[in-house]
Amino acid sequence: AQSVTQPDIHITVSEGASLELRCNYSYGATPYLFWYVQSPGQGLQLLLKYFSGDTLVQGIKGFEAEFKRSQSSFNLRKPSVHWSDAAEYFCAVGAENTNAGKSTFGDGTTLTVKP
Amino acid sequence: DTAVSQTPKYLVTQMGNDKSIKCEQNLGHDTMYWYKQDSKKFLKIMFSYNNKELIINETVPNRFSPKSPDKAHLNLHINSLELGDSAVYFCASSRGTGATEAFFGQGTRLTVV
Repeated sequence: AQSVTQPDIHITVSEGASLELRCNYSYGATPYLFWYVQSPGQGLQLLLKYFSGDTLVQGIKGFEAEFKRSQSSFNLRKPSVHWSDAAEYFCAVGAENTNAGKSTFGDGTTLTVKP
Repeated sequence: DTAVSQTPKYLVTQMGNDKSIKCEQNLGHDTMYWYKQDSKKFLKIMFSYNNKELIINETVPNRFSPKSPDKAHLNLHINSLELGDSAVYFCASSRGTGATEAFFGQGTRLTVV
């Protein structure tokens, strides 16, 4: 069975500082990995995804994530955080040709941005 | 031009009532989903439909009944509401059963009092 762990429940960073949100997964084959963002009162929006190829993937809003098979990780990064990045971030793992409903979501990391 | 839209956005109701949440997507997707997000923000799949057919039905009380009149709509009807049903319910869609990423609606916050 697949699983996702987001070790940090809550992270606070200052505006303009760099950000890294951790995600560790467990999956028997090559995983499909996703990061979603949920702004307050909104639904989830896909930031980026990894299926294969280059292990460093670029997403929207200046985010990137790096797939490290040896560490079973897919950490999300942003070099300079903006106040509007304050939100809930979810990592998810799925599989090729598998219904999105079968993806497993992590428990989320709440990002607070200090002025 | 909202992609996945749900109504209502907020729903407050008394225990024992029956309520429905509607969902529509204009993305031309074949597959739609209902998710439940609890107060700790844990997100869990409830149902998935592909072209009006149920393909995922997680362990959900049978008080919850999804209905898909066509592939662009997936409504959620809940009978005999209980306090524990209070949550945010998200509708989502994807291109097909093999499409792994989902597009989410803005959610319906259901509060049972």
